[in-house]
Amino acid sequence: QSALTQPPSVSGSPGQSVTISCTGASSDVGSYNRVSWYQQPPGTAPKLMIYEVNNRPSGVPDRFSGSKSGNTASLTISGLQAEDEADYYCSSYTGSSTFVVFGGGTKLSVL
Amino acid sequence: QVQLVESGGGVVQPGRSLRLSCAASGFTFSSYGMHWVRQAPGKGLEWVAIIWYDGSKKYYADSVKGRFIISRDNSKNTLFLQMNSLRDEDTAVYYCARDRGAGNYLDYWGQGSLVTVSS
Repeated sequence: QSALTQPPSVSGSPGQSVTISCTGASSDVGSYNRVSWYQQPPGTAPKLMIYEVNNRPSGVPDRFSGSKSGNTASLTISGLQAEDEADYYCSSYTGSSTFVVFGGGTKLSVL
Repeated sequence: QVQLVESGGGVVQPGRSLRLSCAASGFTFSSYGMHWVRQAPGKGLEWVAIIWYDGSKKYYADSVKGRFIISRDNSKNTLFLQMNSLRDEDTAVYYCARDRGAGNYLDYWGQGSLVTVSS
């Protein structure tokens, strides 16, 4: 099972919006609404930000939203804040014995 | 509150073994599946293994299949990862995480335990 494809980096200014893409295959992202997104600031553990494509856990600001079209999922962060600067990873259930696959990660810089 | 605390990491020579533990608290451990996920230095996340809430099913990444064993002791609220025949490329921070929906998503993560494989 190949890793999901994410852009290595994105950037934006405070107050702007950015979108991070996550491209998989018809066997994972395209087949299941089981895409999740994780935020990892430097030196910390990952934190769940979006689950099941577009659901936010309690405590995650509504500035974070998710979507999916075909084999590509997306995370959009609106009203960028300095505290949003982190690495972001997407993940998908695969339906195979390898179960879960992650994207390569995207470094978000808030300029 | 949910807490996951990994331990057991360290420096180990190639070919040797090491066992990681993950102590869980703040939730009914025996009701949830659990994962191990690792992150090599400066690299992305790599899923390693999942175990069902009752230990009845286990799945592994191809990169560790046949070398690593995931297990749990629900009486002690503890998850384990037995790592055998370690290789240089197994060097990573290992995280335990709670499963929701059999691979649907991982909602709580530990702080990680560093394993360094080096001669």
